[in-house]
Amino acid sequence: DTEVTQTPKHLVMGMTNKKSLKCEQHMGHRAMYWYKQKAKKPPELMFVYSYEKLSINESVPSRFSPECPNSSLLNLHLHALQPEDSALYLCASSQRGDVSSPLHFGNGTRLTVT
Amino acid sequence: GQQVMQIPQYQHVQEGEDFTTYCNSSTTLSNIQWYKQRPGGHPVFLIQLVKSGEVKKQKRLTFQFGEAKKNSSLHITATQTTDVGTYFCAGHNQGGKLIFGQGTELSVKP
Repeated sequence: DTEVTQTPKHLVMGMTNKKSLKCEQHMGHRAMYWYKQKAKKPPELMFVYSYEKLSINESVPSRFSPECPNSSLLNLHLHALQPEDSALYLCASSQRGDVSSPLHFGNGTRLTVT
Repeated sequence: GQQVMQIPQYQHVQEGEDFTTYCNSSTTLSNIQWYKQRPGGHPVFLIQLVKSGEVKKQKRLTFQFGEAKKNSSLHITATQTTDVGTYFCAGHNQGGKLIFGQGTELSVKP
């Protein structure tokens, strides 16, 4: 079991759809992350929020739009995705967002773009 | 860009055999973290090493951080079927960015 909760677990969407992925943690962590993971590959960083402010955007296309409504919640809004965006999307949190704070991952949302 | 190389990519062992995965960075790391991802699961944090030459043990798992803080290893003694999964190392570079290795996928034959 993980203390980082992601919904939905699975999502199938067309290229013209708009959908959102949600992530929640109640560990009091101040940094939250979105990672993308393709099969047989390591997680690839997309965004970092530190103290509810976007601190890192790893040159992610604008069809992915993150949002951090408060310190416990993180959303990823999806619009006009491409089939190559199909992947496991992992949310993670860490206590302070510094090098000493390990990542706590959620179970992920398995996204299929048709 | 900076990379953390991890080998081997795959390792198939008979239950009871030992297993080792190695990580090597092109530059000095602030620390090294190890994660395990079971098939169909998510990465789970195992341990963090910070000091040069540090060795830590968790039951049958032994983690080492090299003297130069550029390499690390994870050794599992007497593997069990519950050890199956992909093991990732991840290190923070001097700029604070976390870089994952490519992972080693371990399969254990009972």
